[in-house]
Amino acid sequence: KQEVTQIPAALSVPEGENLVLNCSFTDSAIYNLQWFRQDPGKGLTSLLLIQSSQREQTSGRLNASLDKSSGRSTLYIAASQPGDSATYLCAVKGGNTPLVFGKGTRLSVIA
Amino acid sequence: DAGITQSPRHKVTETGTPVTLRCHQTENHRYMYWYRQDPGHGLRLIHYSYGVKDTDKGEVSDGYSVSRSKTEDFLLTLESATSSQTSVYFCAISESNGGHKETQYFGPGTRLLVL
Repeated sequence: KQEVTQIPAALSVPEGENLVLNCSFTDSAIYNLQWFRQDPGKGLTSLLLIQSSQREQTSGRLNASLDKSSGRSTLYIAASQPGDSATYLCAVKGGNTPLVFGKGTRLSVIA
Repeated sequence: DAGITQSPRHKVTETGTPVTLRCHQTENHRYMYWYRQDPGHGLRLIHYSYGVKDTDKGEVSDGYSVSRSKTEDFLLTLESATSSQTSVYFCAISESNGGHKETQYFGPGTRLLVL
């Protein structure tokens, strides 16, 4: 059974700092890995999707990498801003299996 | 933003009463999902649908039933609500369910409190 772990569970950084969020998964037979953002009391917003054949994806200040063989992904946020404060969730998709989510990392960027 | 609405957005009910949550989409996506989100557990799949009248169970389906009579609507029913079903419920949609590029779009959620 696929399991997804996100470390740390919570992170607080000063504005402007570069930071890395980690995601690990136990079964490397995945179709894709996605990073989502969730603001308090809101639904999830897809940030980046990395296909199994890809190594990384970039969107603005966000860069996500995937090392399928080691079962790891990182989300790099450059020059963090208070508006980046949210919970970030990682999810992996297998073949005929549904998305499996990690429990998320709660990020606070302090002005 | 994907056109997904959920109703009601908040509900308080009593143990033993039936509850139905509605998800409505305007994207004409084939797949629809119901998740629950709980502290310490993250998001877990309850049921999903891959077409009108075609549904399947997820990880935590006990105590829940679903129906999809139209492409745009996916209903989640708690036949007899229990306190353990207090949670935030999210609906999601996707065009497919197996493609390497497939992503899911989420609704705003329904907060359910069972007293």
